[in-house]
Amino acid sequence: DAGVTQSPTHLIKTRGQQVTLRCSPKSGHDTVSWYQQALGQGPQFIFQYYEEEERQRGNFPDRFSGHQFPNYSSELNVNALLLGDSALYLCASSLRAGLGEQYFGPGTRLTVT
Amino acid sequence: AQSVTQLGSHVSVSEGALVLLRCNYSSSVPPYLFWYVQYPNQGLQLLLKYTSAATLVKGINGFEAEFKKSETSFHLTKPSAHMSDAAEYFCAVREPNNNAGNMLTFGGGTRLMVKP
Repeated sequence: DAGVTQSPTHLIKTRGQQVTLRCSPKSGHDTVSWYQQALGQGPQFIFQYYEEEERQRGNFPDRFSGHQFPNYSSELNVNALLLGDSALYLCASSLRAGLGEQYFGPGTRLTVT
Repeated sequence: AQSVTQLGSHVSVSEGALVLLRCNYSSSVPPYLFWYVQYPNQGLQLLLKYTSAATLVKGINGFEAEFKKSETSFHLTKPSAHMSDAAEYFCAVREPNNNAGNMLTFGGGTRLMVKP
Protein backbone atom coordinates (compact mmCIF):
# COMPACT_ATOMS: atom_id res chain seq x y z
CA ASP A 1 0.00 0.00 0.00
CA ALA A 2 1.65 3.20 -1.19
CA GLY A 3 1.70 6.09 1.20
CA VAL A 4 1.42 9.73 0.22
CA THR A 5 3.44 10.53 -2.88
CA GLN A 6 4.51 13.92 -4.18
CA SER A 7 6.11 15.15 -7.37
CA PRO A 8 8.49 16.55 -8.26
CA THR A 9 11.05 16.05 -5.50
CA HIS A 10 12.94 19.24 -6.24
CA LEU A 11 12.15 22.28 -8.34
CA ILE A 12 14.01 25.47 -9.19
CA LYS A 13 12.05 28.44 -10.50
CA THR A 14 12.67 32.11 -11.19
CA ARG A 15 10.84 34.99 -9.53
CA GLY A 16 7.57 35.76 -11.25
CA GLN A 17 7.11 32.28 -12.66
CA GLN A 18 4.32 29.86 -11.83
CA VAL A 19 4.65 26.37 -10.36
CA THR A 20 2.42 23.31 -9.95
CA LEU A 21 3.07 20.64 -7.34
CA ARG A 22 1.26 17.30 -7.26
CA CYS A 23 0.15 14.92 -4.54
CA SER A 24 -1.46 11.49 -4.41
CA PRO A 25 -3.03 10.61 -1.06
CA LYS A 26 -2.70 7.41 0.91
CA SER A 27 -5.05 4.71 -0.34
CA GLY A 28 -8.50 5.13 1.20
CA HIS A 29 -8.02 8.77 2.23
CA ASP A 30 -10.36 11.43 0.93
CA THR A 31 -8.88 14.67 2.28
CA VAL A 32 -5.70 16.41 1.22
CA SER A 33 -3.95 19.25 3.03
CA TRP A 34 -0.98 21.33 1.94
CA TYR A 35 1.63 22.84 4.22
CA GLN A 36 4.60 25.14 3.65
CA GLN A 37 7.71 24.52 5.72
CA ALA A 38 10.34 27.24 5.57
CA LEU A 39 13.87 26.33 6.58
CA GLY A 40 14.15 25.89 10.34
CA GLN A 41 10.44 26.33 11.00
CA GLY A 42 7.37 24.22 11.59
CA PRO A 43 4.91 23.53 8.78
CA GLN A 44 2.32 26.23 8.09
CA PHE A 45 -1.14 25.23 6.87
CA ILE A 46 -2.00 26.49 3.39
CA PHE A 47 -5.37 24.86 2.63
CA GLN A 48 -7.34 21.64 2.71
CA TYR A 49 -9.44 19.95 0.04
CA TYR A 50 -12.33 17.54 0.44
CA GLU A 51 -14.86 16.51 -2.19
CA GLU A 52 -12.97 18.62 -4.73
CA GLU A 53 -13.59 21.83 -2.79
CA GLU A 54 -11.36 24.00 -0.62
CA ARG A 55 -12.69 23.55 2.93
CA GLN A 56 -10.19 25.41 5.07
CA ARG A 57 -7.55 27.98 4.28
CA GLY A 58 -4.62 29.33 6.23
CA ASN A 59 -3.12 32.79 6.05
CA PHE A 60 -1.77 32.60 2.51
CA PRO A 61 -2.40 35.00 -0.37
CA ASP A 62 -4.54 34.19 -3.40
CA ARG A 63 -1.36 33.46 -5.36
CA PHE A 64 -1.66 30.06 -3.73
CA SER A 65 -4.45 27.96 -5.22
CA GLY A 66 -5.27 24.33 -5.46
CA HIS A 67 -7.39 21.64 -6.92
CA GLN A 68 -8.60 18.19 -5.99
CA PHE A 69 -9.49 15.61 -8.59
CA PRO A 70 -12.19 12.89 -8.45
CA ASN A 71 -9.50 10.31 -7.56
CA TYR A 72 -8.64 12.49 -4.49
CA SER A 73 -5.24 13.53 -5.84
CA SER A 74 -4.42 17.20 -5.57
CA GLU A 75 -2.39 20.02 -7.04
CA LEU A 76 -0.94 23.13 -5.46
CA ASN A 77 -0.38 26.09 -7.75
CA VAL A 78 1.66 29.16 -6.88
CA ASN A 79 1.63 32.18 -9.19
CA ALA A 80 4.02 35.12 -9.39
CA LEU A 81 6.68 33.37 -7.34
CA LEU A 82 8.60 35.37 -4.76
CA LEU A 83 11.95 34.56 -3.18
CA GLY A 84 10.09 34.00 0.06
CA ASP A 85 8.14 31.14 -1.47
CA SER A 86 11.28 29.00 -1.29
CA ALA A 87 10.38 26.18 1.08
CA LEU A 88 9.53 22.51 1.47
CA TYR A 89 5.93 21.95 0.44
CA LEU A 90 4.30 19.07 2.23
CA CYS A 91 1.14 17.26 1.27
CA ALA A 92 -0.79 15.34 3.91
CA SER A 93 -3.76 13.04 3.52
CA SER A 94 -6.39 12.01 6.02
CA LEU A 95 -9.92 10.76 6.41
CA ARG A 96 -12.56 13.46 6.71
CA ALA A 97 -14.42 11.37 9.24
CA GLY A 98 -11.29 10.45 11.18
CA LEU A 99 -9.68 11.92 14.28
CA GLY A 100 -7.41 14.22 12.36
CA GLU A 101 -4.23 12.24 12.09
CA GLN A 102 -2.56 13.21 8.88
CA TYR A 103 -0.05 11.23 6.88
CA PHE A 104 2.63 13.25 5.15
CA GLY A 105 4.44 12.80 1.89
CA PRO A 106 8.19 13.40 1.46
CA GLY A 107 7.64 16.93 0.22
CA THR A 108 8.70 19.02 -2.75
CA ARG A 109 11.65 21.33 -2.23
CA LEU A 110 10.98 24.56 -4.15
CA THR A 111 13.81 27.03 -4.68
CA VAL A 112 12.99 30.43 -6.17
CA THR A 113 15.95 32.39 -7.56
CA ALA B 1 -6.88 30.75 17.59
CA GLN B 2 -4.84 27.76 18.61
CA SER B 3 -1.12 27.98 19.13
CA VAL B 4 1.67 25.59 20.08
CA THR B 5 4.88 26.41 21.90
CA GLN B 6 7.84 24.07 21.96
CA LEU B 7 10.34 25.17 24.57
CA GLY B 8 13.90 24.65 23.43
CA SER B 9 14.64 24.73 19.73
CA HIS B 10 17.62 22.46 20.37
CA VAL B 11 17.97 19.68 22.93
CA SER B 12 21.11 17.62 23.38
CA VAL B 13 21.25 14.37 25.35
CA SER B 14 23.73 11.54 25.74
CA GLU B 15 22.95 8.12 24.35
CA GLY B 16 21.01 6.18 26.98
CA ALA B 17 19.77 9.30 28.76
CA LEU B 18 16.18 10.42 29.22
CA VAL B 19 14.65 12.42 26.39
CA LEU B 20 12.17 15.17 27.32
CA LEU B 21 10.75 17.46 24.64
CA ARG B 22 8.29 20.08 25.81
CA CYS B 23 5.04 21.16 24.19
CA ASN B 24 2.42 23.57 25.49
CA TYR B 25 -0.73 24.49 23.66
CA SER B 26 -3.23 27.29 23.78
CA SER B 27 -6.80 26.33 23.02
CA SER B 28 -10.25 27.13 24.33
CA VAL B 29 -11.10 23.43 24.52
CA PRO B 30 -8.87 20.39 24.97
CA PRO B 31 -7.63 19.74 21.46
CA TYR B 32 -6.38 16.68 19.72
CA LEU B 33 -2.59 16.56 20.03
CA PHE B 34 0.10 14.96 17.93
CA TRP B 35 3.84 14.48 17.86
CA TYR B 36 5.62 14.09 14.53
CA VAL B 37 9.27 13.35 13.75
CA GLN B 38 11.14 14.59 10.71
CA TYR B 39 14.45 13.13 9.59
CA PRO B 40 16.68 15.18 7.27
CA ASN B 41 15.25 15.70 3.80
CA GLN B 42 12.13 13.71 4.61
CA GLY B 43 8.47 14.33 5.36
CA LEU B 44 6.83 14.04 8.77
CA GLN B 45 6.14 10.71 10.46
CA LEU B 46 3.45 10.39 13.12
CA LEU B 47 4.91 9.31 16.48
CA LEU B 48 1.76 9.36 18.61
CA LYS B 49 -1.57 11.07 19.11
CA TYR B 50 -3.95 12.10 21.90
CA THR B 51 -7.63 12.17 21.01
CA SER B 52 -9.38 12.41 24.41
CA ALA B 53 -8.93 8.81 25.48
CA ALA B 54 -6.13 7.77 27.85
CA THR B 55 -4.00 10.73 28.94
CA LEU B 56 -0.76 8.71 28.72
CA VAL B 57 -0.17 7.85 25.11
CA LYS B 58 2.39 5.38 23.83
CA GLY B 59 3.82 5.74 20.36
CA ILE B 60 6.37 4.20 18.08
CA ASN B 61 10.09 3.81 18.78
CA GLY B 62 9.59 3.79 22.57
CA PHE B 63 8.22 7.34 22.81
CA GLU B 64 5.29 8.35 24.97
CA ALA B 65 3.53 11.56 25.92
CA GLU B 66 1.21 12.63 28.71
CA PHE B 67 -1.68 15.03 28.25
CA LYS B 68 -2.02 17.37 31.25
CA LYS B 69 -5.05 19.59 30.91
CA SER B 70 -4.23 21.66 34.01
CA GLU B 71 -0.83 22.54 32.56
CA THR B 72 -1.99 22.64 28.90
CA SER B 73 0.99 20.45 28.12
CA PHE B 74 1.77 17.38 26.03
CA HIS B 75 5.45 16.66 26.64
CA LEU B 76 7.21 13.86 24.76
CA THR B 77 9.50 11.47 26.60
CA LYS B 78 11.66 8.44 25.98
CA PRO B 79 13.51 6.65 28.81
CA SER B 80 16.70 5.95 26.87
CA ALA B 81 17.90 7.84 23.83
CA HIS B 82 19.36 6.08 20.80
CA MET B 83 21.59 7.65 18.19
CA SER B 84 18.83 6.98 15.65
CA ASP B 85 16.50 9.33 17.58
CA ALA B 86 18.42 12.36 16.35
CA ALA B 87 15.89 14.32 14.29
CA GLU B 88 13.47 17.27 14.37
CA TYR B 89 10.35 16.81 16.47
CA PHE B 90 7.11 18.73 16.00
CA CYS B 91 4.12 19.03 18.28
CA ALA B 92 0.80 19.79 16.57
CA VAL B 93 -2.79 20.46 17.62
CA ARG B 94 -6.16 20.43 15.95
CA GLU B 95 -9.48 21.60 17.20
CA PRO B 96 -11.81 18.70 17.99
CA ASN B 97 -15.24 18.51 16.40
CA ASN B 98 -14.31 21.05 13.78
CA ASN B 99 -16.76 20.53 10.97
CA ALA B 100 -14.76 22.83 8.74
CA GLY B 101 -11.82 20.48 8.58
CA ASN B 102 -8.92 18.98 10.46
CA MET B 103 -6.07 21.41 9.87
CA LEU B 104 -3.04 21.05 12.10
CA THR B 105 -1.24 23.89 13.85
CA PHE B 106 2.42 23.10 14.45
CA GLY B 107 4.97 24.29 16.92
CA GLY B 108 8.34 25.57 15.78
CA GLY B 109 10.04 22.23 16.32
CA THR B 110 12.82 20.91 18.55
CA ARG B 111 15.99 19.50 17.11
CA LEU B 112 17.16 16.53 19.19
CA MET B 113 20.85 15.75 19.14
CA VAL B 114 22.16 12.53 20.68
CA LYS B 115 25.77 12.36 21.77
CA PRO B 116 27.63 9.05 21.87
